[in-house]
Amino acid sequence: AQTVTQSQPEMSVQEAETVTLSCTYDTSESDYYLFWYKQPPSRQMILVIRQEAYKQQNATENRFSVNFQKAAKSFSLKISDSQLGDAAMYFCAQTRLYGGSQGNLIFGKGTKLSVKP
Amino acid sequence: DTEVTQTPKHLVMGMTNKKSLKCEQHMGHRAMYWYKQKAKKPPELMFVYSYEKLSINESVPSRFSPECPNSSLLNLHLHALQPEDSALYLCASSLKEELSAGKLFFGSGTQLSVL
Repeated sequence: AQTVTQSQPEMSVQEAETVTLSCTYDTSESDYYLFWYKQPPSRQMILVIRQEAYKQQNATENRFSVNFQKAAKSFSLKISDSQLGDAAMYFCAQTRLYGGSQGNLIFGKGTKLSVKP
Repeated sequence: DTEVTQTPKHLVMGMTNKKSLKCEQHMGHRAMYWYKQKAKKPPELMFVYSYEKLSINESVPSRFSPECPNSSLLNLHLHALQPEDSALYLCASSLKEELSAGKLFFGSGTQLSVL
């Protein structure tokens, strides 16, 4: 079974500072994808960043980067130069790499990020 | 057009009503999804359509009836719902189910309240 755990229900960061959101996961799959999705007050889920588990290099997307530790099954998100628009609920998620059901995202419970001006 | 459009944005219905949620995309995606999100919880998968055929039904009660009339449109028909069915219903699409690699495009959802 696949599970995703986010141990920080809420986090706060000062504008322009850096914040790290934690995520651990468990899976019996040998290959899988990991994601961070963002859900602002508009309710739309937006893909922030994606990591293929077979790649050792950590994914980066502009101000967003991950620290992927496969052996530890850890997948944290670092947001640099935080902006007011980053305030949202952040969900860590995983899915399979091969076979069907790649759209079946297994989400963690989420971390609510507040950004202080 | 990179949007997934859901209508209505809000819906209030009684337990005896029949209503439908609509989802539309024009990105040429061949996989479409319904997720249910209860308040302060993560989304949970309900249904997956792949090439207009039902691919996955995550043991959803029969009072929820999905329909995919064509590759751009996904409906969710609601009948005899219970108050515990009140939630945000999110539609999503991806290029293909087997190659989506989790890259889903979500709509903004329909906030459903069942009285």
